[in-house]
Amino acid sequence: EPEVTQTPSHQVTQMGQEVILRCVPISNHLYFYWYRQILGQKVEFLVSFYNNEISEKSEIFDDQFSVERPDGSNFTLKIRSTKLEDSAMYFCASGDATDTQYFGPGTRLTVL
Amino acid sequence: GESVGLHLPTLSVQEGDNSIINCAYSNSASDYFIWYKQESGKGPQFIIDIRSNMDKRQGQRVTVLLNKTVKHLSLQIAATQPGDSAVYFCAETDYGQNFVFGPGTRLSVLP
Repeated sequence: EPEVTQTPSHQVTQMGQEVILRCVPISNHLYFYWYRQILGQKVEFLVSFYNNEISEKSEIFDDQFSVERPDGSNFTLKIRSTKLEDSAMYFCASGDATDTQYFGPGTRLTVL
Repeated sequence: GESVGLHLPTLSVQEGDNSIINCAYSNSASDYFIWYKQESGKGPQFIIDIRSNMDKRQGQRVTVLLNKTVKHLSLQIAATQPGDSAVYFCAETDYGQNFVFGPGTRLSVLP
């Protein structure tokens, strides 16, 4: 069964450093999403992406964040200058036209 | 690993009993609702969804009920099994945008 994959599973970085979180969505999906979940808290929407552009973003998704689909398979989330409060699980999801989203296993980002 | 921070509401049920998990949503314009299951250390897993033009939808051992009047969503799990132990949370969206997730309820299945 096709699934969303994410790498790395755990990323440790120093405050102020740039990180890129990678996702490989399900191959025939056209809608892509990033979410984050701070430890012990609820899942929060960051951004949705369709047709090679951002279709929706939340207040969390400020100028420090960017997304890219550099090729036909990867979908990346970049944080330019990480802050301590960026420490969280970051989930990628992909979906088809039915609104159902399929989540990846997540990347745990730890900012020191 | 174990979560720390906010304490989630916890529902404890005996194995074999039915479980009912509730969720209140906020946006009256939301037209699509989803229930997710999240096991420790894993990403959310889709369980069942319902559109706003329906009141009830059934899946395998699960039923979702939607009450738009009071903006309430519930997930019923029949014959709860140990493998059902997880955090369950609802999500709402209006036309595929603005996904908002609830805080979650921890379901604990007792032997």
